[in-house]
Amino acid sequence: DSGVTQTPKHLITATGQRVTLRCSPRSGDLSVYWYQQSLDQGLQFLIQYYNGEERAKGNILERFSAQQFPDLHSELNLSSLELGDSALYFCASSTLTSGGTSTDTQYFGPGTRLTVL
Amino acid sequence: AQSVAQPEDQVNVAEGNPLTVKCTYSVSGNPYLFWYVQYPNRGLQFLLKYITGDNLVKGSYGFEAEFNKSQTSFHLKKPSALVSDSALYFCAVRDSLLYGNNRLAFGKGNQVVVIP
Repeated sequence: DSGVTQTPKHLITATGQRVTLRCSPRSGDLSVYWYQQSLDQGLQFLIQYYNGEERAKGNILERFSAQQFPDLHSELNLSSLELGDSALYFCASSTLTSGGTSTDTQYFGPGTRLTVL
Repeated sequence: AQSVAQPEDQVNVAEGNPLTVKCTYSVSGNPYLFWYVQYPNRGLQFLLKYITGDNLVKGSYGFEAEFNKSQTSFHLKKPSALVSDSALYFCAVRDSLLYGNNRLAFGKGNQVVVIP
């Protein structure tokens, strides 16, 4: 168990809908990352937050947004869902205490499997 | 951008034999390299990382990896494979040199099958 929790484990919804994925980082970790894993794209970085602020953006669609709250948990919002959004969404956290160049290890949660029908 | 490549799709090995999972990298500057393992319906588990120093890195569950700068490789190894090592293995590299950007770029993954 990495200490990173994600809810829900599974989510089944219809095209055009909106969902929210939730992540609680390991105790003491200030940085949260979101990744998407799909069969055709593999594991792709979406976005990183550090202590409530966005730090890096990857291949995240405009329909997707995220935030990190004062208690450091994070939410990934996916809207106007399409069939191609079906994937496993992982959250990871790391200490990143300095906020700068880091070799911190990212610890991953169990993921949320999203199925769009 | 930094990147890693895992040239094989699947690695088959008999139980008790040495296991090697290959990874090559392409980076500007110093490479920060990681190995993760994913079991079915589970998240990614950290195995080990190379930051600097000794080229042989020891990690969890008896795994180790050898960093080779001249060959730009970071192969994962285990002296004696177990059936329970059957899983999907990912090599990753820190993808950005920008301050505060700690994103990882992953390889496509290697399915390891350990045959009893």
